[in-house]
Amino acid sequence: SQQGEEDPQALSIQEGENATMNCSYKTSINNLQWYRQNSGRGLVHLILIRSNEREKHSGRLRVTLDTSKKSSSLLITASRAADTASYFCATDAGRGSTLGRLYFGRGTQLTVWP
Amino acid sequence: NAGVTQTPKFQVLKTGQSMTLQCAQDMNHEYMSWYRQDPGMGLRLIHYSVGAGITDQGEVPNGYNVSRSTTEDFPLRLLSAAPSQTSVYFCASSFTGEVGKLFFGSGTQLSVL
Repeated sequence: SQQGEEDPQALSIQEGENATMNCSYKTSINNLQWYRQNSGRGLVHLILIRSNEREKHSGRLRVTLDTSKKSSSLLITASRAADTASYFCATDAGRGSTLGRLYFGRGTQLTVWP
Repeated sequence: NAGVTQTPKFQVLKTGQSMTLQCAQDMNHEYMSWYRQDPGMGLRLIHYSVGAGITDQGEVPNGYNVSRSTTEDFPLRLLSAAPSQTSVYFCASSFTGEVGKLFFGSGTQLSVL
């Protein structure tokens, strides 16, 4: 399976601390995305990084991609209680993959305590 | 814009019953998809469509049918509900040029007894 795997499964930190989540995948990709899901809600797209990019920033989010290790990390700086959510990575299956087939990991549950 | 709208939000079925989960988007997205989310399993792709009249199977298509007669709507049909189909179902859409940037509906929680 191409499914990404997030690590850790759960992360608990204090407000103001940084949170780092990792994603590993199995085959080549065209791009990798990170999503957030608040409890009982749908997923919200956070950031997309293409296979030829190594780092991308969006506000307090920093995503890195290492295609040689088939891994990505999501860093949330200066976390807030409102960042409490599950975070998922999603990938396609790379060159020649069928358009529309995306694979999600099982997610990291982040809890930020006030 | 309403975005991606799913109905109903909750549904309880008996084994063997059929039903249709509705999904509509008003963003003129070509791509639409259905996922199911089970505890500890992440999201798994059921069916998807890259445009009106075009559908294809995802990872877990058995027991589900879809059709795409319009750009806006992408209903998911459960033919004969089974307890294994108890799950939370999400519809998502995007432009085909940016399939990674999915917009999700708020989900349908389905219980099959």
